[in-house]
Amino acid sequence: GAGVSQSPSNKVTEKGKDVELRCDPISGHTALYWYRQRLGQGLEFLIYFQGNSAPDKSGLPSDRFSAERTGESVSTLTIQRTQQEDSAVYLCASSLTRGNTEAFFGQGTRLTVV
Amino acid sequence: KNEVEQSPQNLTAQEGEFITINCSYSVGISALHWLQQHPGGGIVSLFMLSSGKKKHGRLIATINIQEKHSSLHITASHPRDSAVYICAAFIYYGGSQGNLIFGKGTKLSVKP
Repeated sequence: GAGVSQSPSNKVTEKGKDVELRCDPISGHTALYWYRQRLGQGLEFLIYFQGNSAPDKSGLPSDRFSAERTGESVSTLTIQRTQQEDSAVYLCASSLTRGNTEAFFGQGTRLTVV
Repeated sequence: KNEVEQSPQNLTAQEGEFITINCSYSVGISALHWLQQHPGGGIVSLFMLSSGKKKHGRLIATINIQEKHSSLHITASHPRDSAVYICAAFIYYGGSQGNLIFGKGTKLSVKP
C-alpha cells in the first residue's frame, strides 16, 4: 500500500484479555516505531525497530507489552492481560532509514479496555 | 526536563494572522520533524529538516542547529489550520539505536 497501515482501527476488549495490534509499514522502510497516546496526553514512545538490529524496547511500560518484527515487514504489538490504563491510541510510524528521513504515521488503533 | 520543548502550549489566532510555533531541544539531533494532528487523531508529517528552511504552501519551517531551535510558521492562517502541531527530534543513542522524541504539542485554534 501507499502508506502505513494499522489494524484494527478500533478495538474494545475486556480487562484481562490479550490483544494484538498490527502495523504494515511502507515497503522498504527499515525503521519502525510504536507509540501510544492516552486521552489528552502527548505521544509516548514504546519501541523502535531498525532493520535487523536489536530493537530499542526502553519505552515498553511493563512486561505485559511485547512487540515483534520480522526483518523489514509487518510488526505486531501484543498486550497481555490488558488493564484499563492501557486504553489509548496506539500509533505506528515508519521511515526509510534512521531518523534523518521523513516519518510516516499510520492512522492508529484506538484500544478501549472495559 | 523534556528533551524537546515546544511553545506555546495553546495558541488562539484570528483568521489571516501570521503564526509561529517554537521548538527547542537539548541534545544533538540528526533531524527534526514537524507533525500535524487533527481532532480524531490522525498524524501527518509536515516537514523533516536537518538544516536551513523548507516551505510548503503557507507553511514554513526553519531550523538553527547551533542554537538547537526550530520554528514552524503559518502565513495567512485559516480555521482549517486548527490542529495540534508537534515537534519531534530524532536523537541517536549510539550504534543503530535512536528514537523520535516528541514535544508535548501546540494546540492551535484559528477563529474565523
